[in-house]
Amino acid sequence: NAGVTQTPKFQVLKTGQSMTLQCAQDMNHEYMSWYRQDPGMGLRLIHYSVGAGITDQGEVPNGYNVSRSTTEDFPLRLLSAAPSQTSVYFCASSYRARTNYGYTFGSGTRLTVV
Amino acid sequence: TQLLEQSPQFLSIQEGENLTVYCNSSSVFSSLQWYRQEPGEGPVLLVTVVTGGEVKKLKRLTFQFGDARKDSSLHITAAQPGDTGLYLCAGAHNYGQNFVFGPGTRLSVLP
Repeated sequence: NAGVTQTPKFQVLKTGQSMTLQCAQDMNHEYMSWYRQDPGMGLRLIHYSVGAGITDQGEVPNGYNVSRSTTEDFPLRLLSAAPSQTSVYFCASSYRARTNYGYTFGSGTRLTVV
Repeated sequence: TQLLEQSPQFLSIQEGENLTVYCNSSSVFSSLQWYRQEPGEGPVLLVTVVTGGEVKKLKRLTFQFGDARKDSSLHITAAQPGDTGLYLCAGAHNYGQNFVFGPGTRLSVLP
């Protein structure tokens, strides 16, 4: 029962570095998304995908890229890390896109940009 | 941006007490979900409500969706230390929209 797997669990980056946060799900879910969680701000949607080959921007997309080449994988790329991107990042998936099906979340990646 | 407000922001109670937390918006929800998040983990879905006035129960947890579908409450009876966590509500104002999350209520149940 892997569910949604995120790697790495922790990461420290220097300003200007790039990196990819990995997300994989084994539930054949159609919908996948990335959120960032900051104290007092709740979960804010970065990018989402309603199926392989389809991605779209969420509430806070600047500085991040995504792709969805397979149903299982939805990596998040930070192009040039900034201290404002210090946050906890969660990947989530759902059986169908934007319906009443609940989200299954990964355990998160805690990113610090120095 | 669609905003969800949650209250209280923090709540610390003794084991055995009852509590209610709230989720509110100025707009109507097509559906609303509640999640619980424990430290170092992702949120876990507790319930989805879609009908105004709907009440759902999950053991000692009772979820209610307001008649006008603008608000929801979560009531916990006889809280236990295992109920400690961050309770998040998430709502969609129209079918087909992404869910928006509230900031959460952080609950601490002391033994």
